[in-house]
Amino acid sequence: QTVVTQEPSFSVSPGGTVTLTCGLTSGSVSTTYYPSWFQQTPGQAPRTLIYSTNIRSSGVPDRFSGSILGNKAALTITGAQADDESDYYCMLYMGSGIEVFGTGTKVTVL
Amino acid sequence: EVQLVQSGAEVKKPGESLEISCKGSGYTFTDYWIGWVRQMPGKGLEWMGIIYPGDSDATYSPSFQGQVTISVDKSISTAYLQWSSLKASDTAMYYCARGYDSSGFLLTSDTFDMWGQGTMVTVSS
Repeated sequence: QTVVTQEPSFSVSPGGTVTLTCGLTSGSVSTTYYPSWFQQTPGQAPRTLIYSTNIRSSGVPDRFSGSILGNKAALTITGAQADDESDYYCMLYMGSGIEVFGTGTKVTVL
Repeated sequence: EVQLVQSGAEVKKPGESLEISCKGSGYTFTDYWIGWVRQMPGKGLEWMGIIYPGDSDATYSPSFQGQVTISVDKSISTAYLQWSSLKASDTAMYYCARGYDSSGFLLTSDTFDMWGQGTMVTVSS
């Protein structure tokens, strides 16, 4: 069974840049997986950041950007702010109407 | 205002049945999918399944197939997640989310663009 993998954690300084990735245990992620990215702070529902690889959801600041880097989907936060400290999840469309979330990355801003 | 509003928290005993709901408003309910997502305490998000209110066609993750039932009543813009016999391991927060076809040609949802507030389900004897 293919698992969608993410780094467990990342630390970034305020104003810094961090790139999170979303890969597969078997195979490469491409635009045909329509990668999405979601942000979740403790006790809150997830919030959609990015869909279809690189399209920002309504109201999402442009410091969040999505891309494909090598064989993975990527979320880059440029100019990190304190309130970016959250858990981040990717989600991939696997075909046949089924989607799968990644394992999640905890981002700390300090 | 476009929103998904979920039913309130539930406390149940093992073996009991349960149905939680997700009501959409502010948009044409049959134009989008509704998905369900589980988050066990301290854990990540898990995609459970999705339903298209237009024709009630549901797709399940293999991990949840046979464990839950997803249904919809489009006349009241409400989707449901049902269990026939709860287990302690069903204790989790459950989110509904609005899905849509960002590709324009997949004819299925490939992302979620908005979320309900979540329903906490606790199963304990």
